Amino acid sequence: TQLLEQSPQFLSIQEGENLTVYCNSSSVFSSLQWYRQEPGEGPVLLVTVVTGGEVKKLKRLTFQFGDARKDSSLHITAAQPGDTGLYLCAGLNGSSNTGKLIFGQGTTLQVKP
Amino acid sequence: DTGVSQDPRHKITKRGQNVTFRCDPISEHNRLYWYRQTLGQGPEFLTYFQNEAQLEKSRLLSDRFSAERPKGSFSTLEIQRTEQGDSAMYLCASRILGGNTEAFFGQGTRLTVV
Repeated sequence: TQLLEQSPQFLSIQEGENLTVYCNSSSVFSSLQWYRQEPGEGPVLLVTVVTGGEVKKLKRLTFQFGDARKDSSLHITAAQPGDTGLYLCAGLNGSSNTGKLIFGQGTTLQVKP
Repeated sequence: DTGVSQDPRHKITKRGQNVTFRCDPISEHNRLYWYRQTLGQGPEFLTYFQNEAQLEKSRLLSDRFSAERPKGSFSTLEIQRTEQGDSAMYLCASRILGGNTEAFFGQGTRLTVV
């Protein structure tokens, strides 16, 4: 069974601070996606990383895929209250071709003004 | 068609009642997924369709759960004899077959069983 472990589960920081969220697995994924979810809404895709060692940037967000494609991280620079939400990593198993996503437990981020 | 839509957004039901949720995917998307999300957790895969064929069901999907996608367009998820443990957000997602294409999620149906 493929599992994704996210850490930390909860993070409460002040506006302007930096943070990193980790997503780890013992399994290899063909790609890994990061989503952000607001309360009462569905997850919205932020980024997909495909190549081992890949780094992608989305404004103040930096995403990295591990060399072995088993782990990923999300780094936010100078967090703002608008970054508050649930961040989810999700792995896609390319060998099965089902397209189903294996999600981590999520990281709830609160950025206080 | 601007996205995946789910109906209803919220449902409160008494234990033992049957409920049915509907998902309308993005029109050209041939794959449709159902996930369940409990509070403070990530979504868990339930089942998926390719066109009208249901290709995989999770062990989470007990025999009280049934899903259909009769014409390969909208899908329904029915829960019979609801239990309190069924309380969760039920999410639908759709995507185009192949590669690492993006899955688009609906806003979900929040089910509360009292």
